[in-house]
Amino acid sequence: DSGVTQTPKHLITATGQRVTLRCSPRSGDLSVYWYQQSLDQGLQFLIQYYNGEERAKGNILERFSAQQFPDLHSELNLSSLELGDSALYFCASGDSSSHSYNEQFFGPGTRLTVL
Amino acid sequence: AQKITQTQPGMFVQEKEAVTLDCTYDTSDPSYGLFWYKQPSSGEMIFLIYQGSYDQQNATEGRYSLNFQKARKSANLVISASQLGDSAMYFCAMREGRGSNYQLIWGAGTKLIIKP
Repeated sequence: DSGVTQTPKHLITATGQRVTLRCSPRSGDLSVYWYQQSLDQGLQFLIQYYNGEERAKGNILERFSAQQFPDLHSELNLSSLELGDSALYFCASGDSSSHSYNEQFFGPGTRLTVL
Repeated sequence: AQKITQTQPGMFVQEKEAVTLDCTYDTSDPSYGLFWYKQPSSGEMIFLIYQGSYDQQNATEGRYSLNFQKARKSANLVISASQLGDSAMYFCAMREGRGSNYQLIWGAGTKLIIKP
């Protein structure tokens, strides 16, 4: 157990809909990272938040947005969903002071299926 | 240009044999870190081992070791005495620079299947 929680575990929805994925980082971690993993693919970095502020942006579509709240949990909002958005979405946390090499701890992921 | 290259899309290995998974990287930053993660069929990403660019010795964690050849820009993962439970996808990733706003750059992964 990495200490990172993600809800829901599975999500099935229809094209055109909007969903929200939630992530709670490990205690003490200030950074949250969102990744998308399509079928048998590597991870695509979407976005990073650090202590409530956006810090880095990757290949995130304009239909997607994220935020990190004062309690450090984060939400990834996906709107106008398309079939191609079906993927495993990971949240990772890091920057704990106890780790000098900035390892990222991954949550179990949310599997999104768009029908 | 690819920053992280994993040239082996898939590998079959006999149980109890040692396995080497290849990873080459490309960076001009003198400070970087290399990570290996395991992703079993259940989907979770499990951290295995880390090597920093300034580390003098190759990293080891139990049955995992990292064959770090800085001049060749390679960071191969070695799994000794493979087990059936080692069957999974393995990803190599790189962190460039230091600080709090970095991202990991990922390779495409290698699918390892251990045969009984």
